[in-house]
Amino acid sequence: DTGVSQDPRHKITKRGQNVTFRCDPISEHNRLYWYRQTLGQGPEFLTYFQNEAQLEKSRLLSDRFSAERPKGSFSTLEIQRTEQGDSAMYLCASSSLAGGPETQYFGPGTRLLVL
Amino acid sequence: QKEVEQNSGPLSVPEGAIASLNCTYSDRGSQSFFWYRQYSGKSPELIMSIYSNGDKEDGRFTAQLNKASQYVSLLIRDSQPSDSATYLCAVKGGSNSGYALNFGKGTSLLVTP
Repeated sequence: DTGVSQDPRHKITKRGQNVTFRCDPISEHNRLYWYRQTLGQGPEFLTYFQNEAQLEKSRLLSDRFSAERPKGSFSTLEIQRTEQGDSAMYLCASSSLAGGPETQYFGPGTRLLVL
Repeated sequence: QKEVEQNSGPLSVPEGAIASLNCTYSDRGSQSFFWYRQYSGKSPELIMSIYSNGDKEDGRFTAQLNKASQYVSLLIRDSQPSDSATYLCAVKGGSNSGYALNFGKGTSLLVTP
């Protein structure tokens, strides 16, 4: 068990470009979450998948953001037409209800800088 | 709006002392409570989870929950310089409150040698 992994770890892009991030959850975890964290703030929820189904989206997830989890394994988060306000750490977390109450484990994050 | 409040700090304690970190939450139906540690530039790392009123101890860490007062705390005994980090309180609501964790802004802890 290697934990949650995210790729890339860092991304610098110009305003208006599209970016895509990938998250690979812990292998037996069927729940996957995306959060965004800016400096001095706690993580803010973006969206949640149970298996391949996207069951909840935050109002923070504007139309420029889209997330997928094909086949209920890895997930991608795409940001179209990036804006400087999108600069943040994008965190993925996974969890499972097997064996007890749900606990979310975070990946290392993707740090996005939009110039 | 469901809120989780933490004092942003910094909280400074000498090495070997007890650090006490506090968190209040607004959603009375909240069921699960977590403390994450986050070093600068890194992602949150789970330290403790607590689900029922009272104390839960794990090594040098003790989490305390009082649902009536909507209050959860983390005590760190024998604080070490390596404990210097931001501590995030996270709360998961009841069954009608969605799936996400609601985080506070975190308390910055500095343990001085």
